[in-house]
Amino acid sequence: DTGVSQDPRHKITKRGQNVTFRCDPISEHNRLYWYRQTLGQGPEFLTYFQNEAQLEKSRLLSDRFSAERPKGSFSTLEIQRTEQGDSAMYLCASSHGQGAGANVLTFGAGSRLTVL
Amino acid sequence: GENVEQHPSTLSVQEGDSAVIKCTYSDSASNYFPWYKQELGKRPQLIIDIRSNVGEKKDQRIAVTLNKTAKHFSLHITETQPEDSAVYFCAAGLGSASKIIFGSGTRLSIRP
Repeated sequence: DTGVSQDPRHKITKRGQNVTFRCDPISEHNRLYWYRQTLGQGPEFLTYFQNEAQLEKSRLLSDRFSAERPKGSFSTLEIQRTEQGDSAMYLCASSHGQGAGANVLTFGAGSRLTVL
Repeated sequence: GENVEQHPSTLSVQEGDSAVIKCTYSDSASNYFPWYKQELGKRPQLIIDIRSNVGEKKDQRIAVTLNKTAKHFSLHITETQPEDSAVYFCAAGLGSASKIIFGSGTRLSIRP
């Protein structure tokens, strides 16, 4: 376990299609976050989990976006009926839930989505 | 909700000089303030963080200061080197049960 893994690294899809991204966090981290980053901007918070519980979801996130972490390990982020405005880098991060490492995010390499 | 403002958006300094990046946050309850460095095409990586029980923290050429009253925090890089060229993001969070909100980033360029 060398870090946070994301798959796929790149996804090109046509408008209206559904896409799903997977994130495997660092195994001892019980907190998992999803962010979206567009060119020249900072990571924008989407949602986060403590174990399998989704604790918060951004108000900016439309109903087309859904995330799961069914067993408290890996997570999936699904975007339904993709739009061109969904084109971005989707970053996953994980952290410890408490102690000195709480809030210290380790990011994955990201999944880049291009919607044509 | 929390909002983090960062400036400047771009900064160019001569190699060897110092660089300062400033951020403000809106939620007075925020108590965790990390800084991330993102090189071109790579993932953000934590370079230093500070919690609200201290006013300053140093790690070699990097220091962060926090003014809770004014809700300001800053990143200071001394003796800048070419490898310091990157985009830097400040962020803020509330305790250990909180999302982390990022600023919009500062693109730092080091002139030889």
